[in-house]
Amino acid sequence: EDQVTQSPEALRLQEGESSSLNCSYTVSGLRGLFWYRQDPGKGPEFLFTLYSAGEEKEKERLKATLTKKESFLHITAPKPEDSATYLCAVQAAGDYKLSFGAGTTVTVRA
Amino acid sequence: NAGVTQTPKFRVLKTGQSMTLLCAQDMNHEYMYWYRQDPGMGLRLIHYSVGEGTTAKGEVPDGYNVSRLKKQNFLLGLESAAPSQTSVYFCATGRDSNQPQHFGDGTRLSIL
Repeated sequence: EDQVTQSPEALRLQEGESSSLNCSYTVSGLRGLFWYRQDPGKGPEFLFTLYSAGEEKEKERLKATLTKKESFLHITAPKPEDSATYLCAVQAAGDYKLSFGAGTTVTVRA
Repeated sequence: NAGVTQTPKFRVLKTGQSMTLLCAQDMNHEYMYWYRQDPGMGLRLIHYSVGEGTTAKGEVPDGYNVSRLKKQNFLLGLESAAPSQTSVYFCATGRDSNQPQHFGDGTRLSIL
């Protein structure tokens, strides 16, 4: 069974204080690892897909990296608008579904 | 989220009542999914569809039924609601199984 564990559960940052979120996974053959952002009262919004170990993707202050066992979402010099819950999900080869972690809630104080 | 519309946005039911949640998409995506999100847990797949007229069970299908009579609509039904079905329900769509899923803004359902 696919498993996804995200840590920490919550992260409080000062504006400009860079940090990283962790997503550890076990899956029988990785098709893709997905990062989503979820704002309160909203649905998840797609950020990145990573397919193979060593791959990196960037978008503004966010950078996602992937190894064979985990993925990191680095937030560089965060701003208050980066406050959200970040979700990680994996898709196994030959499967349709995504298996989600419980998320990391990031709060950035001005 | 543009493209995926869920109705209603909020609903309160009594135990034993039935209702249908509607997901409508205008992106012409083949794949559609229903998830539930509970505090402290990841999104869990209830049912999904790989095209018009098809449905399949996901991770937590018990107590739910679905239909995909039209490509753009995916309905989730609760025949006899139970308090354990209190949750936020999200619909998602995908162009194919390899592409990212796009989510609606959810239906918040409380069952008393």
